Formats: sequence, C-alpha cells, structure tokens
Amino acid sequence: DSGVTQTPKHLITATGQRVTLRCSPRSGDLSVYWYQQSLDQGLQFLIQYYNGEERAKGNILERFSAQQFPDLHSELNLSSLELGDSALYFCASSVGQGNIQYFGAGTRLSVL
Amino acid sequence: DAKTTQPPSMDCAEGRAANLPCNHSTISGNEYVYWYRQIHSQGPQYIIHGLKNNETNEMASLIITEDRKSSTLILPHATLRDTAVYYCIVRVVLTGTASKLTFGTGTRLQVTL
Repeated sequence: DSGVTQTPKHLITATGQRVTLRCSPRSGDLSVYWYQQSLDQGLQFLIQYYNGEERAKGNILERFSAQQFPDLHSELNLSSLELGDSALYFCASSVGQGNIQYFGAGTRLSVL
Repeated sequence: DAKTTQPPSMDCAEGRAANLPCNHSTISGNEYVYWYRQIHSQGPQYIIHGLKNNETNEMASLIITEDRKSSTLILPHATLRDTAVYYCIVRVVLTGTASKLTFGTGTRLQVTL
C-alpha cells in the first residue's frame, strides 16, 4: 500500500459526460501528480500541483482540469468525454517536487 | 530528460537473478536513474534510484556504469510476483523544481517456474 488513495476505482460513463476523479496524497506529501495510461499512449504525465499551486503541465487536454485543495487532496475533472478518454488515471504524490513519487492504485475510466 | 532504451521483454527462472539493462547514453551530469515497475494494471511502484554510485535496497540493486551511459537493475532472487513491466527513467532532480516522470515502454519481465 503506497498510502495514496484514489477514488473511485472504476467509473463507467457515456460520451459527452463529465466526471471527477479524486486523489488523497500520502500524509505529509505536498506534491500531487496526475498520469494517464491508455493502451496506445502508455503512461503519460498530465499535470502537477505543489501545495495548492499548479507547477507543471504535460499533454493535458483543454477539456481536462485539476486542482489541489487546502487539505492537499486533488481532483481531476474530465469533461465532454470521448471514447478515447477511456484509460487508467493514476495519481502520485511526493514530499517535495523532486522527490520519489508514490502512485495510487488508479481509477479505470470507461467511456461508452 | 534523457531518453532511455530497454529491451521489450525478458524471461527469468524463479530463484535466479534477473538483470534488466537500460541504456541512457545522453544522460547529463545532474540526471538520476530511476526504476519503477508496474504489476499488471496496478499503480507504478518505486524500486530504486541512483546518480553515480551503485545502490542497493531491500528490493533490488542498481549498477550504473562509470560513464553513466547505461545501468542494470538486479533482482537477486526473482519470484513469480516480480513479473511486471519495469521502467527505467532518467530525470533531473532539483529541490523545488517541478519534475515529472517520463515513462517509456519498459521491459516486460516474465518470471517462470
């Protein structure tokens, strides 16, 4: 158990819908990272927050957004969902910004 | 971050050492070598990392060549539970600086009886 909690574990929704994925980092970790893993793209970095502020962005679509709250948990919002958004979404956390990242178990999103 | 090259797949007999190579010929002086693994579709798991010197922990050993252009992850006594995709990642680690992990395609290690 990495100490990073992601909910829900599975999510099934329809095209055009909006969903929110939640991540609770390890106790004491200030950085949260979001990654997407799809069959054709592999594991890709989406976005990073540090102590509530956005610090780095990867290939995150404009339809996707994230935030980190004062209690340090983070949410990834995916809107206007398309079939191609079906993937595993992982959250990771680290103490600071350059430290070891520990990953949650992921949320499997299926868009039908 | 420097690019890494790993063999797509390897087999290892249970109880034997698994030696997973990684080439990172364009690595620069301030880049570390990290290893993660992903068992089935679980979240990636941190294994070990190093800069220049060889490193060992309870999971594995990391051997980095003197020129730092390649490294080898060693699982000393592989078990069936070590079957996974192993990712070698090179990244800059600067305190206070955003630093993502760039995953390649990794090596699929199959441990067999």
